[in-house]
Amino acid sequence: GNSVTQMEGPVTLSEEAFLTINCTYTATGYPSLFWYVQYPGEGLQLLLKATKADDKGSNKGFEATYRKETTSFHLEKGSVQVSDSAVYFCALSGGAGGTSYGKLTFGQGTILTVHP
Amino acid sequence: NAGVTQTPKFQVLKTGQSMTLQCAQDMNHEYMSWYRQDPGMGLRLIHYSVGAGITDQGEVPNGYNVSRSTTEDFPLRLLSAAPSQTSVYFCASRLIGTGGETQYFGPGTRLLVL
Repeated sequence: GNSVTQMEGPVTLSEEAFLTINCTYTATGYPSLFWYVQYPGEGLQLLLKATKADDKGSNKGFEATYRKETTSFHLEKGSVQVSDSAVYFCALSGGAGGTSYGKLTFGQGTILTVHP
Repeated sequence: NAGVTQTPKFQVLKTGQSMTLQCAQDMNHEYMSWYRQDPGMGLRLIHYSVGAGITDQGEVPNGYNVSRSTTEDFPLRLLSAAPSQTSVYFCASRLIGTGGETQYFGPGTRLLVL
């Protein structure tokens, strides 16, 4: 079945540092890939997505590229801010077809803390 | 649009008690789902529905029941709560088909079973 593996956290950075959160996946076919963000006390919000190989998703300075050859979707940001402190989840949906549409498979989440 | 709403925000139950977690969306989304979030395990799918009258099991359905009588509402029922069901529960919805990749999540219900 589908699975998503994220780098272990927590991640602690100083403001303006470069961020990378690794995400790799296992799925047959061509899944869609997502990064969700959860701010303290809130639900999950879609941060960015990519629906086919080599697509780059981007939003709020965050980027991730769908790499089918390495089955990866690493999240990057060039200069983090204190307001980026949150939990980040990598997820996938779809893949080999059937009734898998809409079912998201999540990684375990990575806690990011950014200090001033 | 209110989006996806959940009630209550927080609940404490004793082992064996029953309760219903409410979820509603006003975006006319066909697909609705329930997840539980546990530390170090991400979110796991409990049940989902692709339309009124249609439900199916997800990854961790045991101990939970759902029904979908309207497009808007998708309640999650715990018939006999157990400490293992202590978790944060999220409801989500999305369109099916074109433009429906994005799931919208509610704010969550934090459940403690003693």
